[in-house]
Amino acid sequence: EIVLRQSPGTLSVSPGERATLSCRASQSINNNYLAWYQQKPGQAPRLLIYDVSSRATGIPDRFSGSGSGTDFTLTISRLEPEDFAVYYCQRYGASPTFGQGTKVDFK
Amino acid sequence: EVQLVESGGGLVRPGGSLTLSCLASGFTFSSHAMHWVRQAPGKGLEFVSGISFNGGDISYGDSVKGRFTISRDNYKRTLFLQMTSLRPEDTAVYYCVKEWSSWSPYFDYWGQGTLLTVSS
Repeated sequence: EIVLRQSPGTLSVSPGERATLSCRASQSINNNYLAWYQQKPGQAPRLLIYDVSSRATGIPDRFSGSGSGTDFTLTISRLEPEDFAVYYCQRYGASPTFGQGTKVDFK
Repeated sequence: EVQLVESGGGLVRPGGSLTLSCLASGFTFSSHAMHWVRQAPGKGLEFVSGISFNGGDISYGDSVKGRFTISRDNYKRTLFLQMTSLRPEDTAVYYCVKEWSSWSPYFDYWGQGTLLTVSS
């Protein structure tokens, strides 16, 4: 099973700043099967990024994904108040797994 | 509009059983694989089980193998999760999740979830 480790656990930033979230896999991820989800309190997760760097429908272009192999990054270029949430990376396909999450909160 | 509405959660004693349901609408249910993902209180996301579009391919997370059974009724557009031998650590919100496609199987839509509490 591929284990995903996200860092940092919590990222404290101010609105308008850039946020960089990391996701590292224990083995190389094939087929670019790497996604990012956003979850706000009391809500279901929402798909942000799939196939490492493709934005889901309706996702603003301040969200971008990059990476390959075992190292992946979600970047939020200029944080808006509604972006403060928990973010999960996921390897999908056979035996899907999730990272433990990164919480983005107010500095 | 895609909608996934889970039901069937509740309070169950350890060792008990329960079946969750998920009614889908807004897409061709019979063409998509579906999954269950759970989230324990204050914790992260955990894959529970997945089923292919026609039910021919099924997978389970290690923590539920042998205790949970996933199934689907394409005529009724409904996904099920039969849970037996329930343990306190099964307490979680259970989400019904739609898979985009077999060639890019990311999870594109999630239901709002149903809460299962396993406690004496």
